[in-house]
Amino acid sequence: QLQLVQSGVEVKKPGASVKVSCQASGYSLFTHGFIWVRQAPGQGLEWMGWISGYNRKTKYAERVRGRVTMTTDPSTNAAYMELRSLTSDDTAVYYCARGSRDKPKILAFDIWGQGTVVFVSS
Amino acid sequence: QSVLTQPPSASGTRGQRVTISCSGSSSNIGNNLVNWYQQFPGAAPKLFIYSSDERPSGVPDRFSGSKSGTSASLAISGLQSEDEADYYCAAWDDRLDAWVFGGGTKVTVL
Repeated sequence: QLQLVQSGVEVKKPGASVKVSCQASGYSLFTHGFIWVRQAPGQGLEWMGWISGYNRKTKYAERVRGRVTMTTDPSTNAAYMELRSLTSDDTAVYYCARGSRDKPKILAFDIWGQGTVVFVSS
Repeated sequence: QSVLTQPPSASGTRGQRVTISCSGSSSNIGNNLVNWYQQFPGAAPKLFIYSSDERPSGVPDRFSGSKSGTSASLAISGLQSEDEADYYCAAWDDRLDAWVFGGGTKVTVL
C-alpha cells in the first residue's frame, strides 16, 4: 500500500527548531521526490520546498529559505524537514507529499502524509 | 494574498452543476499545467485533477478540469452531498520558481 506516514505533534518555543519525518512505504524513495506543504490554522496551502529522493537535490520557497533543510535517508526510506528559528507564524500543519524525482515543477502531488501539527508558543 | 485567485465559496443544490475558477498569470497557469486538490476538514489534501484535465483513478467522472490561457476551472456536474469540501488549484510559477496555490474554494451543498 502506497502511503506516507508522518511523525507526531510538536510543541516548540519561539527560536527553537523542529524536525518532521515522513516515512514512505510501498515504494522506494529513489523513484520520486518529496514535497513539503504547510497550512496555518484556517488558511490555505503553502509550498515550502522539494527534495529529490534520487539525488537529494533541493529547491526551497523564498519565504523559508535559510531556515529550512530537507533531507532523505535511504536506510529508512524517509524524508525529513527541519525548520529553525521558529516563530508563532510557523504554527501550522505540515504535510509531506510525493512528487517528481527529477524536477520540482513536474508531476502532481499524488500521495500525502496525514500531516504533523507544529505549535509554536512561549 | 494567494498568487492564484479562487472564489472563497461556491454552492449549489444536489444535482446542480457548480464551477470553480482559478485565475493566474502567464508565469504560472499560462505556461504550466494545473492540478486540483480536495480537502475535508481535519484531513490531508487529496489529488483530484492533474495535468489540468486528468482524473486520478477513483475520482468520479462528474468532476472535470479545464484550462484556457491564464485561467483554469473545476466543474462538478451533478453535485452530491459528499462533494462538500475545500478545493485548491495549484500550478508551477516560472517567475517565482515555486509551486503556488489558490486560496481555496469551499463548496457547500444547499
